[in-house]
Amino acid sequence: EDKVVQSPLSLVVHEGDTVTLNCSYEVTNFRSLLWYKQEKKAPTFLFMLTSSGIEKKSGRLSSILDKKELFSILNITATQTGDSAIYLCAVYNFNKFYFGSGTKLNVKP
Amino acid sequence: DGGITQSPKYLFRKEGQNVTLSCEQNLNHDAMYWYRQDPGQGLRLIYYSQIVNDFQKGDIAEGYSVSREKKESFPLTVTSAQKNPTAFYLCASSQYWRDTQYFGPGTRLTVL
Repeated sequence: EDKVVQSPLSLVVHEGDTVTLNCSYEVTNFRSLLWYKQEKKAPTFLFMLTSSGIEKKSGRLSSILDKKELFSILNITATQTGDSAIYLCAVYNFNKFYFGSGTKLNVKP
Repeated sequence: DGGITQSPKYLFRKEGQNVTLSCEQNLNHDAMYWYRQDPGQGLRLIYYSQIVNDFQKGDIAEGYSVSREKKESFPLTVTSAQKNPTAFYLCASSQYWRDTQYFGPGTRLTVL
């Protein structure tokens, strides 16, 4: 059965900390892996990864994919309270998207 | 401004009633999707449409219906046959089928 598993389910850190969110997958015919940030409402797109070992970076956020070990990580450095959100990982094959249950990040002042 | 809109933001329904959730996009995207989100669970696909006048069932289509008469619009009807309809509903669209999806703001449906 195709699935995407994210860990941890929730995380509480203080401003300035660095966090690493994990996404492992078992999806046949993998095509790409996507990270979304969901605050109160709609998930917003962060990264799409298709190739192993190539880091995608946007400001304090970065992500990398390991297609051999079937996982991706999302790093957030120097966290801010505005980073508090649910981070969703989705894996796309040639048929549909598979979403993980998300990691709820709470950044305290 | 281009984007995806959903209405209403909050919706209350009595048991036994059908209700329709609106999803509109002006991005000229071919594909549109409906997901349901429950606490502690990932997004689950209800229906999707690859192109206008076509739609397919997703993983949890029972109790739901859709139409795609216009490219911009993909309304979802939650029927009285849906046993547990209280949830957060997200609509998404993508330029083409299998492309990166962009989400609307969502509708929170509560059945009283």
